[in-house]
Amino acid sequence: DIQMTQSPSTLSASVGDRVTITCRASQSISSWLAWYQQKPGKAPKLLIYKASSLESGVPSRFSGSGSGTEFTLTISSLQPDDFATYYCQQYNSYSRTFGQGTKVEVK
Amino acid sequence: EVQLVESGGGLVQPGGSLRLSCAASGFAFASYAMSWVRQAPGKGLEWVSTISISGFSTYYPDSVKGRFTISRDNSKNTLYLQMNSLRGEDTALYYCAEDRAERGYSFEWGQGTLVTVSS
Repeated sequence: DIQMTQSPSTLSASVGDRVTITCRASQSISSWLAWYQQKPGKAPKLLIYKASSLESGVPSRFSGSGSGTEFTLTISSLQPDDFATYYCQQYNSYSRTFGQGTKVEVK
Repeated sequence: EVQLVESGGGLVQPGGSLRLSCAASGFAFASYAMSWVRQAPGKGLEWVSTISISGFSTYYPDSVKGRFTISRDNSKNTLYLQMNSLRGEDTALYYCAEDRAERGYSFEWGQGTLVTVSS
């Protein structure tokens, strides 16, 4: 199975900061990567698919990049609503796997 | 508006069985692959199973293969997950999700149903 590793596990930031989360795959997954946001007590929300495609309705401050084994999710200017946990997920194979999550907390 | 409403969760003893349901509305259920994803208390997301549009193709990780069975009834707009030989590590909130493709990602999610495996 393909393993997904996110870093950091926790990130402390302030409103207005530029935030970057990294996701690494144990083998090449081309661009078959999605990013989700999850808030406490809520279901995950799709942000990005195919590594860099923004899901409809998601603010443009969110962006994704990368291919192969290394990917990033960037929030250009962190907003109060963005404090949450973020997960990457590969779909290069029919056996999907998620990263362990990155919690973005208030600095 | 897309709605995915899970039900069937509860407390079950180790070795027991449970059947989850997910009632879908607001979209063409028979046109989309569907998945189950779970989240143990305080932990991350874990993919559990995916089913094709027709129901003929199903996929599982090794952690549940042979114990869980995903199925769907397109005439009832309902997704199911039959869980047998349950273990403590199966304790989690189980989400039903709508997928863009069998080999893909989930773009709509339900609110989940809690399964607790304990004696």
